[in-house]
Amino acid sequence: DQQVKQNSPSLSVQEGRISILNCDYTNSMFDYFLWYKKYPAEGPTFLISISSIKDKNEDGRFTVFLNKSAKHLSLHIVPSQPGDSAVYFCAASKSRYTGANSKLTFGKGITLSVRP
Amino acid sequence: GAGVSQSPSNKVTEKGKDVELRCDPISGHTALYWYRQSLGQGLEFLIYFQGNSAPDKSGLPSDRFSAERTGGSVSTLTIQRTQQEDSAVYLCASSLAQSNTGELFFGEGSRLTVL
Repeated sequence: DQQVKQNSPSLSVQEGRISILNCDYTNSMFDYFLWYKKYPAEGPTFLISISSIKDKNEDGRFTVFLNKSAKHLSLHIVPSQPGDSAVYFCAASKSRYTGANSKLTFGKGITLSVRP
Repeated sequence: GAGVSQSPSNKVTEKGKDVELRCDPISGHTALYWYRQSLGQGLEFLIYFQGNSAPDKSGLPSDRFSAERTGGSVSTLTIQRTQQEDSAVYLCASSLAQSNTGELFFGEGSRLTVL
């Protein structure tokens, strides 16, 4: 049972354009959502997060939108750069605070390719 | 070290052998997680340690898998009688007890190949 779903396995965009990466979840107990970025042969690195009490969080070129009623979130990258080419994982937890509910449930990831 | 350290980075073993994977978390991080990523899959939760509390083993796929964390720091994931389906990248992560972002810090992973 995939509780976090990234239905598109890949996305290709032109440099300078917007990249929109989508994520859906099924567990209504999820309260905190994160995006991780992964380059080949490296561990995932944290990108941005959002609490369920918010609908938007912005950090530079990266913005995460949360639609709790639709159980949907998206990551927007504007403008996209070739260095953004990586696998992006959506993750969810029941709490941002370390404890029994803090383990992350990950999606399968989306491979983003930004063409120069 | 500055980050989460894992060893070995690559391990090739024969079916039926036991393997041990090691994780050295960031100093001061009380929480430690093991995940694995099989080919074409997302990160699958295996086990979670928090301080002196009993570990959350709910993600371990079978009783061939076990993990321990000694002295609240270094952790070892042991896979007994390895099978080909155990082939994956095993990722360790650690985190602070309190974090503004809830993020986990991952190591580079140990790639296990079972022949």
